Amino acid sequence: QITLEESGPALVKSTQTLTLTCSFSGFSFTYSGVGVGWFRQPPGKALEWLALVYWDHDKRYRPSLKNRVSITKDTSKNEVVLTLTSMDQVDTATYYCAHFVADPLTGYYVADLWGQGTLVTVSS
Amino acid sequence: IVLTQSPGTLSLSPGERATLSCRASQTVTNSYLAWYQQKRGQAPRLLLYGASSRAAGIPDRFSGRGSGTDFTLTISRLEPEDFAVYYCQLYGGLHPYTFGQGTKVDVK
Repeated sequence: QITLEESGPALVKSTQTLTLTCSFSGFSFTYSGVGVGWFRQPPGKALEWLALVYWDHDKRYRPSLKNRVSITKDTSKNEVVLTLTSMDQVDTATYYCAHFVADPLTGYYVADLWGQGTLVTVSS
Repeated sequence: IVLTQSPGTLSLSPGERATLSCRASQTVTNSYLAWYQQKRGQAPRLLLYGASSRAAGIPDRFSGRGSGTDFTLTISRLEPEDFAVYYCQLYGGLHPYTFGQGTKVDVK
């Protein structure tokens, strides 16, 4: 059974750096065709993808955040870490990590299982 | 690519059929489109991928179709647990992981 759990600060100040950890079980980065990524959802708004790291170390970032966001994985710990610099009040959101698997039909990776999310509030 | 979902809100009764639309501003090749369900206070749940393939454990009352720019999610008979917000999402191509703004299905 695959599970993912996000952890990190609930409150950060403007200009600070946010660091979130996704701890997972039930799969490993030693498996080909898997990835772990991050999404966020501001209160009352739609979902937004942030970053993705693949089993083969490749990474993808949301273009509009590319200068602020970073994703790393620790295969031995089964963890993925998201870093978002220069936090602003508009970054207030629930942050989700998700397991990605390659769609056999298209080869592209789809997020099939999500953690419960963690609310991060940015104060001025 | 921009995904536009309609309607914004769909008010129906249990047992009724729900039809949700997702329109892409450009042609989506290879049908790399997914649908998610999100209940209040919960994480999204993958329903469909590849426009029409059901994810593991998803009941067959959920179905999807479409290609090119127009995609549809149909819930054949609404169950009480189906009242939620539904998002379409692209997961491939040049603009991966773009979401629509969501359609809320609520009780009439």
